[in-house]
Amino acid sequence: DIVLTQSPASLAVSLGQRATISCRASESVDSYGNSFMHWYQQKPGQPPKLLIYRASNLESGIPARFSGSGSRTDFTLTINPVEADDVATYYCQQSNEDPPTFGAGTKLELK
Amino acid sequence: QVQLQQSGAELMKPGASVKISCKATGYTFSSYWIEWVKQRPGHGLEWIGEILPGSGSTNYNEKFKGKATFTADTSSNTAYMQLSSLTSEDSAVYYCARIPTATYGFDYWGQGTTLTVSS
Repeated sequence: DIVLTQSPASLAVSLGQRATISCRASESVDSYGNSFMHWYQQKPGQPPKLLIYRASNLESGIPARFSGSGSRTDFTLTINPVEADDVATYYCQQSNEDPPTFGAGTKLELK
Repeated sequence: QVQLQQSGAELMKPGASVKISCKATGYTFSSYWIEWVKQRPGHGLEWIGEILPGSGSTNYNEKFKGKATFTADTSSNTAYMQLSSLTSEDSAVYYCARIPTATYGFDYWGQGTTLTVSS
């Protein structure tokens, strides 16, 4: 299985500042010119919500403050500027190879 | 609007089986894969497997073969996951989710079903 390592495990950011979350895959998640890495936001008591699909594509209805980048094994989710509503845990997920796997999550808090 | 509505929380005894449902509305149920995901504190999110309701085709994570069984009823637009031989390790929140295509993420999720296995 592809292992996804997220860093940091938690981070505290001031309102209006930038948050950067990293996800490293144990092998490439690229195929056919696409990177099959997706990002989710999860708040307590709620299911995950899709933010970014295929590394850099913003899901419909998601604010442009969220962006994704990367390829092959190294990916980044950026939130800029951070708002109070962004306090949550963020997960990366790969779908290039079965089984789909998730990172362990990064908890975002306000400083 | 797309919605996935899951059945309520379950309290089961070890060794029993449980069937969790996921009712879909707002889209063509038979055409989209339904994914099942397990979430436990300290264990993150785990993909259990998927079913394509229109054909009944299924794919299982090797880890959950023999534990989970997926079915779907297109007449009621409902997908089901049965978990057998329950142990405390099966205590978790279980989600169903939809995936538009194999190249996409899971775009809609159910609200989750909490399963507690305890004697």
